[in-house]
Amino acid sequence: KAGVTQTPRYLIKTRGQQVTLSCSPISGHRSVSWYQQTPGQGLQFLFEYFSETQRNKGNFPGRFSGRQFSNSRSEMNVSTLELGDSALYLCASSLDSLYTEAFFGQGTRLTVV
Amino acid sequence: GENVEQHPSTLSVQEGDSAVIKCTYSDSASNYFPWYKQELGKGPQLIIDIRSNVGEKKDQRIAVTLNKTAKHFSLHITETQPEDSAVYFCAARFGNEKLTFGTGTRLTIIP
Repeated sequence: KAGVTQTPRYLIKTRGQQVTLSCSPISGHRSVSWYQQTPGQGLQFLFEYFSETQRNKGNFPGRFSGRQFSNSRSEMNVSTLELGDSALYLCASSLDSLYTEAFFGQGTRLTVV
Repeated sequence: GENVEQHPSTLSVQEGDSAVIKCTYSDSASNYFPWYKQELGKGPQLIIDIRSNVGEKKDQRIAVTLNKTAKHFSLHITETQPEDSAVYFCAARFGNEKLTFGTGTRLTIIP
C-alpha cells in the first residue's frame, strides 16, 4: 500500500513569488492535514481538509491557503512568499473522522531566497 | 487551545539502556496521544499511540503510559539500539480536532 506522497521534494523560490505544494494521501483516506516544520517553531498546524471541506484551521496568515479535490488529493498555496516561509511542509492523511491515526509524507522543503 | 510540553529536548543513552521521554498536556478533553519518530530528511513516522481509555500500551521495545489525572504521558524505549537515534515528537488531540505537537526530543544512542 503506497504511503503519503508529497511533490515536489525540494523547491527554491524568490521572495514575492507564490508556490503550490501537492499531497496525495494514502488510498482511501479522506482527511489531509498540513503542517509547517521549522527548527524554531517545531510542527505548526496549517489546516485540515476532509471530504473537500476545510475542517480545521491554524493561526497562519491568509497567504496560506489550501484545497482538496474529490479524489482526496490536496494542494496548499503560499502567495507573496517571505523569507520566513522557508520550512519543511508536511502533509498527513487519516482515514476519516472516526480514525485518528495520522500518517505523514516525506515533506516538501521550501527555501525562499 | 491545547498546549503540549515535552522533556527533555535532548537525551543521550548508552546502547542497551532505556530511554524515557515525557509530555504534559493542558486540555483535559484530549483523548488521543500519538508518538512520532523523525529521522533526518524524512517525515514523522507514527510509532505508537494511546487513547484515553487505556493506561498503557506496548509494542515490542516501545511502550507508552498515560496518566489522565496528571495529564501526562510518556514514551519508554527499552534495550535501545543505534537505529533508535532520531527526533521523537509527542502529540495530543481531542476528537477530530488538530494534532498539537510537543517540541521534540533528540535522542542519541551511544554505541
